[in-house]
Amino acid sequence: EAGVAQSPRYKIIEKRQSVAFWCNPISGHATLYWYQQILGQGPKLLIQFQNNGVVDDSQLPKDRFSAERLKGVDSTLKIQPAKLEDSAVYLCASSLVGAPYEQYFGPGTRLTVT
Amino acid sequence: QKEVEQDPGPLSVPEGAIVSLNCTYSNSAFQYFMWYRQYSRKGPELLMYTYSSGNKEDGRFTAQVDKSSKYISLFIRDSQPSDSATYLCAISPYDKVIFGPGTSLSVIP
Repeated sequence: EAGVAQSPRYKIIEKRQSVAFWCNPISGHATLYWYQQILGQGPKLLIQFQNNGVVDDSQLPKDRFSAERLKGVDSTLKIQPAKLEDSAVYLCASSLVGAPYEQYFGPGTRLTVT
Repeated sequence: QKEVEQDPGPLSVPEGAIVSLNCTYSNSAFQYFMWYRQYSRKGPELLMYTYSSGNKEDGRFTAQVDKSSKYISLFIRDSQPSDSATYLCAISPYDKVIFGPGTSLSVIP
């Protein structure tokens, strides 16, 4: 069974530029999560989708971050404009509905903002 | 008070040692308790999850939950160099997951 796919793996941009990340979850997993992981910290939830609806986006900086999951499968996370403090690893995870305790993660996208 | 706390380490042990990794949490309503392993430059990998109090064993790994003390532990028996990674504890109040900051473990051959 294929795991969670993410691209790109690495991205370097200048502050005030925009960037987008893509995620393809495990087949059949209706719940998709985007996390931000800053070096030395645990993942912090940015947004959670169930199918194509948002379940929780309380920690998403909505003035600069946006995410969508239009057909209930793939998802994109966008940052515009980027700030230096956005440098982090962006992780995508997926799970079956009602099973957040069994999430499977992709490899992450390492973003560096200069 | 943070919802989930872990000693960040780093923890360094000799090969073959028994490793004990610990977390404390603040909200007694949490029901599910998870341990993830994260290798450098990789995504977290689920090791195991437990529901409510008690022990759960999977090979060399044992997870233990004490809800009365709000304390969870992961024991690794016969530790191997391949166990060198960051270990994240996580808790779930059903609809989401909250991660601890992780403990960095090095197993020295």
